[in-house]
Amino acid sequence: KQEVTQIPAALSVPEGENLVLNCSFTDSAIYNLQWFRQDPGKGLTSLLLIQSSQREQTSGRLNASLDKSSGRSTLYIAASQPGDSATYLCAVRRGRSNTGKLIFGQGTTLQVKP
Amino acid sequence: GAVVSQHPSRVICKSGTSVKIECRSLDFQATTMFWYRQFPKQSLMLMATSNEGSKATYEQGVEKDKFLINHASLTLSTLTVTSAHPEDSSFYICSALKAGGLTTDTQYFGPGTRLTVL
Repeated sequence: KQEVTQIPAALSVPEGENLVLNCSFTDSAIYNLQWFRQDPGKGLTSLLLIQSSQREQTSGRLNASLDKSSGRSTLYIAASQPGDSATYLCAVRRGRSNTGKLIFGQGTTLQVKP
Repeated sequence: GAVVSQHPSRVICKSGTSVKIECRSLDFQATTMFWYRQFPKQSLMLMATSNEGSKATYEQGVEKDKFLINHASLTLSTLTVTSAHPEDSSFYICSALKAGGLTTDTQYFGPGTRLTVL
């Protein structure tokens, strides 16, 4: 059974800091891994998607890495801003196609203080 | 980007009543839609997968007679919580799969519906 764990559960940093969010999964047989952002009471916004054959993806100040063999992914946020405050969810997709089930971690709630 | 809407965004109902939540893909057709539930400070849990024109596939532990799913068209799926009870209070999020090919199908999420059962 695939389990996804995110550490830490919550994080508070001053504005401008670089930070790393961690995600681990128990079954390395994944199709892809995705990082989402969720604002309070809102739906999910996809940030980065890494296919199982890829090692990292970058978008602006965000960089996500994937080490499938060790079951780990990290989301690196550079020069954090108050607008980055949100909950960040990691999800792995099971199976061999893009229609496999998404398994979510419990998220890391980030607060960036001005 | 593709847009998925949900209606209503928030609903409060009395115990024992039924509530219907709509999920629409606004600018694409979705043969597959997903329904998730999220309790406070917890992650999203998949409830069921619905395919247009066929019966939904429910996850283990989800009562199909309580959570009725209808995917009658390529742009609309509905979730009806029947005889709702306070323990059904949760944040319900739908997601629609936009076809783009084997490696480029993309799943888009709706904004969620907050259900409170009194």
